Amino acid sequence: DGGITQSPKYLFRKEGQNVTLSCEQNLNHDAMYWYRQDPGQGLRLIYYSQIVNDFQKGDIAEGYSVSREKKESFPLTVTSAQKNPTAFYLCASTNPGQGNFQPQHFGDGTRLSIL
Amino acid sequence: RKEVEQDPGPFNVPEGATVAFNCTYSNSASQSFFWYRQDCRKEPKLLMSVYSSGNEDGRFTAQLNRASQYISLLIRDSKLSDSATYLCVVNPKGGYNKLIFGAGTRLAVHP
Repeated sequence: DGGITQSPKYLFRKEGQNVTLSCEQNLNHDAMYWYRQDPGQGLRLIYYSQIVNDFQKGDIAEGYSVSREKKESFPLTVTSAQKNPTAFYLCASTNPGQGNFQPQHFGDGTRLSIL
Repeated sequence: RKEVEQDPGPFNVPEGATVAFNCTYSNSASQSFFWYRQDCRKEPKLLMSVYSSGNEDGRFTAQLNRASQYISLLIRDSKLSDSATYLCVVNPKGGYNKLIFGAGTRLAVHP
């Protein structure tokens, strides 16, 4: 079945530690996105990538880094510089080239907490 | 002003009721619009796209008013399984498809 796979489902970070969240899609989508969701708030865009080897900062990129070496993979690293990393992280993908009415499809998320 | 604003929740309704959610957006050049559904502690899932002429999918009807920059979602004959948070989502530019999410409105349908 085609879809987006995020791992792990739950992750705990120690102070000063970098952690990496995995996102893999087999939908052959060009564009991939990382969002953060805090309780009672809407999703906020961290980083996005329209094509392999290219990515752009979203609205809250500080303390995060990404790479896009393969079309199907878009890992997110939460660095020690991100002082408030506890949140629900969601990865999404879409094919924007097919026109404006292109919704994004989401993975089932990773919950990150501080130890 | 937030880019996408939704009715504050929660909406508590009995089974069988009709409920309407409203959403306003600030960018008049916005290109496309969606409603997503998010269950507790789960990922958002696309409920329906919103087209200029309005569109219906079973018990769900979405309307767009570009002049007022307003989107609505109507749910008829509410079911217990409709209980979730409904997210209004706007694509302000098209193209690379950056979406702006509202904070969501929670719906609780009770027996």
